[in-house]
Amino acid sequence: AQSVTQLGSHVSVSEGALVLLRCNYSSSVPPYLFWYVQYPNQGLQLLLKYTTGATLVKGINGFEAEFKKSETSFHLTKPSAHMSDAAEYFCAVSGNAGGTSYGKLTFGQGTILTVHP
Amino acid sequence: ETGVTQTPRHLVMGMTNKKSLKCEQHLGHNAMYWYKQSAKKPLELMFVYSLEERVENNSVPSRFSPECPNSSHLFLHLHTLQPEDSALYLCASSRRDPLGGGELFFGEGSRLTVL
Repeated sequence: AQSVTQLGSHVSVSEGALVLLRCNYSSSVPPYLFWYVQYPNQGLQLLLKYTTGATLVKGINGFEAEFKKSETSFHLTKPSAHMSDAAEYFCAVSGNAGGTSYGKLTFGQGTILTVHP
Repeated sequence: ETGVTQTPRHLVMGMTNKKSLKCEQHLGHNAMYWYKQSAKKPLELMFVYSLEERVENNSVPSRFSPECPNSSHLFLHLHTLQPEDSALYLCASSRRDPLGGGELFFGEGSRLTVL
């Protein structure tokens, strides 16, 4: 079984400050890890993903995340927050634990990011 | 055309009505999904179709009935719903991946309100 825990349902930062959204996962097989962003009244958009290889992954809009196997973590960061980053962010894990050939993602509860001027 | 299109974007229905949600993907994918997003709850996977065959049904009540006539279209037929079924219903698609790691591409969702 797989699970995802996002620490903090709400994170508030000032514009220009560091953004850090935390994600820890549990997986019985090597995981594939994802961060998605959801703006109000919209669907989910992929920010970045880790499959194999380099553990530091860069995504869109200046976000990046680092896969740390020893800590079972995949935290999302951005050096300088912008007002347009205000949204809800979801961490997700996938893996072929069930022998499927499709992307069965398990999502975390989401973290709402607020950016203050 | 955007990658995954859902219609209608908003739907209000009574508990005795019958309605359908439609999803269409233009990405050439062959797996499609329905997720339910309720307030203060994680996204819940409802159904998965892979190559037009239903491969996942996560204990969803029978008042939700999916249909996948081809690899580009997915429907969710709704009947005799309950107020607690009010939520954002998200459709997604992906390519088949033997490693199970295919990323999902989401539509913008259908906001359902059951009165």
